[in-house]
Amino acid sequence: DTGVSQDPRHKITKRGQNVTFRCDPISEHNRLYWYRQTLGQGPEFLTYFQNEAQLEKSRLLSDRFSAERPKGSFSTLEIQRTEQGDSAMYLCASSLLITGGDNEQFFGPGTRLTVL
Amino acid sequence: AQRVTQPEKLLSVFKGAPVELKCNYSYSGSPELFWYVQYSRQRLQLLLRHISRESIKGFTADLNKGETSFHLKKPFAQEEDSAMYYCALSFNQAGTALIFGKGTTLSVSS
Repeated sequence: DTGVSQDPRHKITKRGQNVTFRCDPISEHNRLYWYRQTLGQGPEFLTYFQNEAQLEKSRLLSDRFSAERPKGSFSTLEIQRTEQGDSAMYLCASSLLITGGDNEQFFGPGTRLTVL
Repeated sequence: AQRVTQPEKLLSVFKGAPVELKCNYSYSGSPELFWYVQYSRQRLQLLLRHISRESIKGFTADLNKGETSFHLKKPFAQEEDSAMYYCALSFNQAGTALIFGKGTTLSVSS
């Protein structure tokens, strides 16, 4: 499968624990995005990278959240001291930003986080 | 603030009936508008975008800047069209984040 992949697909944790999710974008895609989706809502933007640089962070991204893309390929999203309100589907997307290109975002299957 | 509104949570139609999924947006600049679709047990995927002016799977959408709308239409619904549909906005073509509406579930029955 050459699409965007995410690991794990499901994560159950206890409140207060730290969790880390991984996203592998489509090879050679230079942009990588993280979104969060809660029940009954559309995806909400969290942050995005161009190569290894984090270009934008949403106000939704509290200081308990940190994202990295150290080599401009895969990315990790860490949530520290999880809260029940962090329970959601975390979606990753990637795109190839080139002049004149369409920059379509391709989504991964998501990681479903449940905080008990 | 930028916002995308999809007023209907659920739209139920019979096979062969016309479909219109509504989307309104608020943004002061010139946005790029998209429709994304999520079929059961599949990932979110792009259906169409306003700049391409294409018809995908029989669906079309026209950007109406005066009414700030980007409604999705299909003249004859098929059962395989049943899915969750999200309208989304991007500030420009330079690959910024997408702002999504809450989505509309389309249910097509025979």
